Amino acid sequence: GQQLNQSPQSMFIQEGEDVSMNCTSSSIFNTWLWYKQDPGEGPVLLIALYKAGELTSNGRLTAQFGITRKDSFLNISASIPSDVGIYFCAVNTNTGNQFYFGTGTSLTVIP
Amino acid sequence: GAVVSQHPSRVICKSGTSVKIECRSLDFQATTMFWYRQFPKKSLMLMATSNEGSKATYEQGVEKDKFLINHASLTLSTLTVTSAHPEDSSFYICSARAGGPRTEAFFGQGTRLTVV
Repeated sequence: GQQLNQSPQSMFIQEGEDVSMNCTSSSIFNTWLWYKQDPGEGPVLLIALYKAGELTSNGRLTAQFGITRKDSFLNISASIPSDVGIYFCAVNTNTGNQFYFGTGTSLTVIP
Repeated sequence: GAVVSQHPSRVICKSGTSVKIECRSLDFQATTMFWYRQFPKKSLMLMATSNEGSKATYEQGVEKDKFLINHASLTLSTLTVTSAHPEDSSFYICSARAGGPRTEAFFGQGTRLTVV
């Protein structure tokens, strides 16, 4: 499978702070996605990006598809306790037949 | 969003037995389903991709005879872990997609398999 490097691996932040995480790949992809996974559950899609340079928001979340098509970042503004979880970037291969996930960023929000 | 139901959510089985996990799309027809395996605090590792009515495509290193995948209908895919061993214990997750590459894939809630 593809190697998607996600950083940071974990974050501990105070409630109200902004969060930023990113994902890089050695290959070009046409679709980047960001998911959140709660313990013992399947991932839930947060944002999907389909065009290089695209900047998309979903409430307090903002994600961008890098111009090189080899990276993406996710920002969370004004974090709240329910933001706690593991965030994964993912890519859809150009044929559409595989979804690969990044290494994950574990977020802890301290009230 | 669309609903994908995975069953069972937890299963404990004896070493040497086989276990079947079901993945159903409840309110859409899933042309493609994906099966993942996840170890504690690790990422999701794609095991195989299946399209309805055709054989699954397995990722490198995944034993197709060990992990049997059947996508017999547009709403159901099954993963059977054959002759399970303790090292097969893991969290297995399916996802399903209705259309082409630009359509969203929805995930099931996962199955925690423990082989004793």
